[in-house]
Amino acid sequence: QKEVEQNSGPLSVPEGAIASLNCTYSDRGSQSFFWYRQYSGKSPELIMSIYSNGDKEDGRFTAQLNKASQYVSLLIRDSQPSDSATYLCAVMDSSYKLIFGSGTRLLVRP
Amino acid sequence: KAGVTQTPRYLIKTRGQQVTLSCSPISGHRSVSWYQQTPGQGLQFLFEYFSETQRNKGNFPGRFSGRQFSNSRSEMNVSTLELGDSALYLCASSGTSGTEAFFGQGTRLTVV
Repeated sequence: QKEVEQNSGPLSVPEGAIASLNCTYSDRGSQSFFWYRQYSGKSPELIMSIYSNGDKEDGRFTAQLNKASQYVSLLIRDSQPSDSATYLCAVMDSSYKLIFGSGTRLLVRP
Repeated sequence: KAGVTQTPRYLIKTRGQQVTLSCSPISGHRSVSWYQQTPGQGLQFLFEYFSETQRNKGNFPGRFSGRQFSNSRSEMNVSTLELGDSALYLCASSGTSGTEAFFGQGTRLTVV
């Protein structure tokens, strides 16, 4: 059973701090990795995609991928209360099936 | 560019009934995937269609089925509804294999 693991949280950080969200996956054949943000009662929204080892930055968000360690992370700099949401890590396996972690709930305290 | 459209947004059905949900992907996208989301189980993969062919299937009973039309629109059907089928059903579309998937607003199904 291919799995994607995330700490459910909640992860609580003060406004302006860096939030660090982590994810591990089991399928070594995975090639595509995604982070989604989901507000309560809404559908998931894609915020980052990463395909190769290293860092990828987009505004306040940085995704990090380490395929050798089967580890993906998302850093949110200058966290805002509006960033409070559940963050879902998703991994596309070798058969193009997108597998989601259970999500980490982030709370940004004003 | 229009996003992924799911209809209806809300549904209330009685146990034993069947239901059909619809998903129109982003124009040009050929892959449509369906997910069930419940508080206890998170996002569970149902199936994926690409160019009218089911390419992947999750671990759901045969009561859950789907299809994709030549215009890439997809439908999902659940027969003999059970209380446990109450969930948010999400569809996501993507362009080609391995690329980003975008979700619709979802259909919230309540079975009473």
